[in-house]
Amino acid sequence: QQQVKQSPQSLIVQKGGISIINCAYENTAFDYFPWYQQFPGKGPALLIAIRPDVSEKKEGRFTISFNKSAKQFSLHIMDSQPGDSATYFCAASIGNTDKLIFGTGTRLQVFP
Amino acid sequence: EAGVTQSPTHLIKTRGQQATLRCSPISGHTSVYWYQQALGLGLQFLLWYDEGEERNRGNFPPRFSGRQFPNYSSELNVNALELEDSALYLCASSLYVSSELFFGEGSRLTVL
Repeated sequence: QQQVKQSPQSLIVQKGGISIINCAYENTAFDYFPWYQQFPGKGPALLIAIRPDVSEKKEGRFTISFNKSAKQFSLHIMDSQPGDSATYFCAASIGNTDKLIFGTGTRLQVFP
Repeated sequence: EAGVTQSPTHLIKTRGQQATLRCSPISGHTSVYWYQQALGLGLQFLLWYDEGEERNRGNFPPRFSGRQFPNYSSELNVNALELEDSALYLCASSLYVSSELFFGEGSRLTVL
């Protein structure tokens, strides 16, 4: 119940295309859903986050879509750029308790 | 402002030895988290310290332990090293519980 399942494992997109990464969870107590971006040799960095009281959050080219009834959330990267090539992790946690549970990651490659 | 710093960057040990990894959180952050990032497994939660106390630990054997010092820095100890302990160990800090995690660049442990 504590798992967050992420897909796909890897994604290849052409420059200008849309990248979509999906995550699913079981624990309905989760109420914080961030996405982290990790470049090679670096630690993950927060990209964008959402709480379940909204169905969508947009920051620039990055959008989180949240479907509470389906227990799914996804990251959409519009107009994907080569600089977006990185590993993306979804995560979930329960309020102000403790740990973030991370998905297994998606390696995104954007080709020019 | 300095980010989360970890040392050493790389560490090579042999089976049965002990490894100690260190982490300095961002100034003012009192919560420190340790995650293990093994190839293909995403980020697995190890330990969480807040205000000097261990608040939670993940599903890891007792040979993984740590502590948080009065200045909020932390160390992770791994005893009786096994080959499968080879991974990137990431430390993160946060200003308060369930707020954004700021990750360091990690310590890569190789067990031969």
